[in-house]
Amino acid sequence: DSGVTQTPKHLITATGQRVTLRCSPRSGDLSVYWYQQSLDQGLQFLIQYYNGEERAKGNILERFSAQQFPDLHSELNLSSLELGDSALYFCASSPQTSGGETQYFGPGTRLLVL
Amino acid sequence: GENVEQHPSTLSVQEGDSAVIKCTYSDSASNYFPWYKQELGKRPQLIIDIRSNVGEKKDQRIAVTLNKTAKHFSLHITETQPEDSAVYFCAASTGTGANNLFFGTGTRLTVIP
Repeated sequence: DSGVTQTPKHLITATGQRVTLRCSPRSGDLSVYWYQQSLDQGLQFLIQYYNGEERAKGNILERFSAQQFPDLHSELNLSSLELGDSALYFCASSPQTSGGETQYFGPGTRLLVL
Repeated sequence: GENVEQHPSTLSVQEGDSAVIKCTYSDSASNYFPWYKQELGKRPQLIIDIRSNVGEKKDQRIAVTLNKTAKHFSLHITETQPEDSAVYFCAASTGTGANNLFFGTGTRLTVIP
């Protein structure tokens, strides 16, 4: 157990819908990262938040957004869902945002868009 | 941005043999290189990492080597066991104010008993 929690574990929804994925980092970690894992794209970085502020952006679609709240949990919002958004979504956390920090991954949310 | 390539994509070894997975990266500013093991449907788990000021690091049967000049790093697993069967990902991070990881495409390792 990494100490990072994610809910829900599974989500099944329809195209065009909107969903929210939730992540709670390890106690004391200020950085939260979101990654998408799909069969054809591998593990891809989406976005990072550090202490409530957006820190880095990867290949995140405009239909996706995220935020980190004062209690440091983070939510990833996916809207206008498409079949291709079906994937495993992981969040990870680290203490700060300096280089070379170990990232601990949560168990993931499996999203299936029908 | 950073581009990490990983080879081979699949690897089968006999139990007790060694396994080697290789990765190359493109951004010379990258300074942190973790390796993750992922079992089917589970989260990636860190197994070993190396920073750019170190050339080699070992933890029991697992070792990682880094060649900064050539921009490549490798994972070595000795005395493989069936429980080593999983997908292994290498990653790189530049750490320039952000810490996001760029992952390789993964290697599916199968250890044959």
